[in-house]
Amino acid sequence: AQKVTQAQTEISVVEKEDVTLDCVYETRDTTYYLFWYKQPPSGELVFLIRRNSFDEQNEISGRYSWNFQKSTSSFNFTITASQVVDSAVYFCALSEGLTGANNLFFGTGTRLTVIP
Amino acid sequence: EAGVTQFPSHSVIEKGQTVTLRCDPISGHDNLYWYRRVMGKEIKFLLHFVKESKQDESGMPNNRFLAERTGGTYSTLKVQPAELEDSGVYFCASSQGRYQPQHFGDGTRLSIL
Repeated sequence: AQKVTQAQTEISVVEKEDVTLDCVYETRDTTYYLFWYKQPPSGELVFLIRRNSFDEQNEISGRYSWNFQKSTSSFNFTITASQVVDSAVYFCALSEGLTGANNLFFGTGTRLTVIP
Repeated sequence: EAGVTQFPSHSVIEKGQTVTLRCDPISGHDNLYWYRRVMGKEIKFLLHFVKESKQDESGMPNNRFLAERTGGTYSTLKVQPAELEDSGVYFCASSQGRYQPQHFGDGTRLSIL
């Protein structure tokens, strides 16, 4: 069974719109870490955020915000006032265990296209 | 600070040939990981080095794949002999310590003809 599900394969929005990327995870571990990575057209995977399972506080970084809800096993990512530079594939990932150093389980990614 | 560097960026070989991919982690990073993404599927873990030791190689698909990290610096991933299903993008990542996030390279796109 897939541990990380990103149901949205592709999303298109017009510039300045807000967009939320969904991520649902599955694990039996009580301690785990969740991640979001961005893959722009250049190909590299850029680390965006890491949260551990004990910290359900939402986080905001500029136009980016993350909503972690253990009750629904979700870790959603919202981009406010989207820009063309936000166009990329976004991956949600899970690492089980105490340290977050264990291997990552990735979702299949969501391709976001921001139309000018 | 230089990021994770992977060579080559793209490799095209014929079925049955051998290919070696290289990864240079961020300097000082003891943890090094290999992942791959085959067409249309999710990025999947292959193995994890801590310095020169294999911490976890549970994701290696079969014995045609051999990973090494001599001296605990750069790592190589050899595929011998390559099969059509090995085509995909191979990513390398590194992290400084047990509690640090993994930083990825640009990947090597491997095409088997």
